[in-house]
Amino acid sequence: RKEVEQDPGPFNVPEGATVAFNCTYSNSASQSFFWYRQDCRKEPKLLMSVYSSGNEDGRFTAQLNRASQYISLLIRDSKLSDSATYLCVVNSPTSGTYKYIFGTGTRLKVLA
Amino acid sequence: EAQVTQNPRYLITVTGKKLTVTCSQNMNHEYMSWYRQDPGLGLRQIYYSMNVEVTDKGDVPEGYKVSRKEKRNFPLILESPSPNQTSLYFCASSRRAGTGASYEQYFGPGTRLTVT
Repeated sequence: RKEVEQDPGPFNVPEGATVAFNCTYSNSASQSFFWYRQDCRKEPKLLMSVYSSGNEDGRFTAQLNRASQYISLLIRDSKLSDSATYLCVVNSPTSGTYKYIFGTGTRLKVLA
Repeated sequence: EAQVTQNPRYLITVTGKKLTVTCSQNMNHEYMSWYRQDPGLGLRQIYYSMNVEVTDKGDVPEGYKVSRKEKRNFPLILESPSPNQTSLYFCASSRRAGTGASYEQYFGPGTRLTVT
């Protein structure tokens, strides 16, 4: 089982739709969680950190479910500009330290 | 402007010809890391550095070397490149790592390497 798993998609949604992605992680001792956005062949950029209580930034909402070991990202009122790959990143203890583990990404296409 | 820079951005080379990809950050970050990204495999860590003169292997270190003589620079060295090292490479930095805290990683723009 991979340490961090995401559905690769693509998720094709119309403009204005609400879309949600999940990401599961295997190490229950993981401490911090992030969603990054990556446009085609560009560098990943932080979209938002994910806090235990859940957090919202405009149209984006991130949640953490420690019991089931997954994080989620909800995008409301999708825009064409939201088309990108969304990477889940988990900071997990490994060999006495913490390391950032990346999921392979979920591809989103927002259609006009 | 806070940033991570990489050079070159694009490189086509031949098998066995040593090359170095430079990485520099201006944010005084302790932690720096190199990743490679391949289709279907996501980002995989090659090497990382917790601070000056402290480096360690990531998940795919074979065929690569790094050094961290100064805080701002973290070059990636391919002593004898092979075609299976053709990939998109990213350098990243953050304030700190090795703890569970939430520190954002900042990525460089990427280096697309082709080894023929």
